[in-house]
Amino acid sequence: SQQGEEDPQALSIQEGENATMNCSYKTSINNLQWYRQNSGRGLVHLILIRSNEREKHSGRLRVTLDTSKKSSSLLITASRAADTASYFCAVNTGFQKLVFGTGTRLLVSP
Amino acid sequence: DVKVTQSSRYLVKRTGEKVFLECVQDMDHENMFWYRQDPGLGLRLIYFSYDVKMKEKGDIPEGYSVSREKKERFSLILESASTNQTSMYLCASSKTAEFYEQYFGPGTRLTVT
Repeated sequence: SQQGEEDPQALSIQEGENATMNCSYKTSINNLQWYRQNSGRGLVHLILIRSNEREKHSGRLRVTLDTSKKSSSLLITASRAADTASYFCAVNTGFQKLVFGTGTRLLVSP
Repeated sequence: DVKVTQSSRYLVKRTGEKVFLECVQDMDHENMFWYRQDPGLGLRLIYFSYDVKMKEKGDIPEGYSVSREKKERFSLILESASTNQTSMYLCASSKTAEFYEQYFGPGTRLTVT
């Protein structure tokens, strides 16, 4: 089935730097969501962007969506060590299901 | 806050055993999901349910079954556990809406020996 593909697979930065993760998908979507997963735990919803939106902000998070390129990016500004986690994009194609990507592992060093 | 709980954080079972993983949500959500998560493969949907006693196969239902007798509870059953079912199992729930998010439990790490 179609899947969001995150890029890069892993990212290592220093505290205070910005982190950017990208997601590409294959078909038309209703919305795209980003989730965070701390090591060995469940996923936590971060932000949802609808197909008719181009940019959305939530605190230090900024998400963009380009439906013509079938891609999205998640920017975390002024990263903290506590942002260390895996980040997943998930696409909703209009049914009550999400299709998740394989994730980006972010390491923020103090 | 929505709470999704799973019956065990860690579970070790033997090949051929019948395994039950239970999930309970407390927000009256219509939809419940079971995923498995493996390194490099992300989350893959096993089964989901959009109402009591209703279920639909996800992408990888083989070797699994589910039960939803009450709205708040969704069980995943491994009829005869095999070593290739060693994985992290995640339960999630959501309400039925045009735009919705899924709420996840903490996960059960199952090892089949």
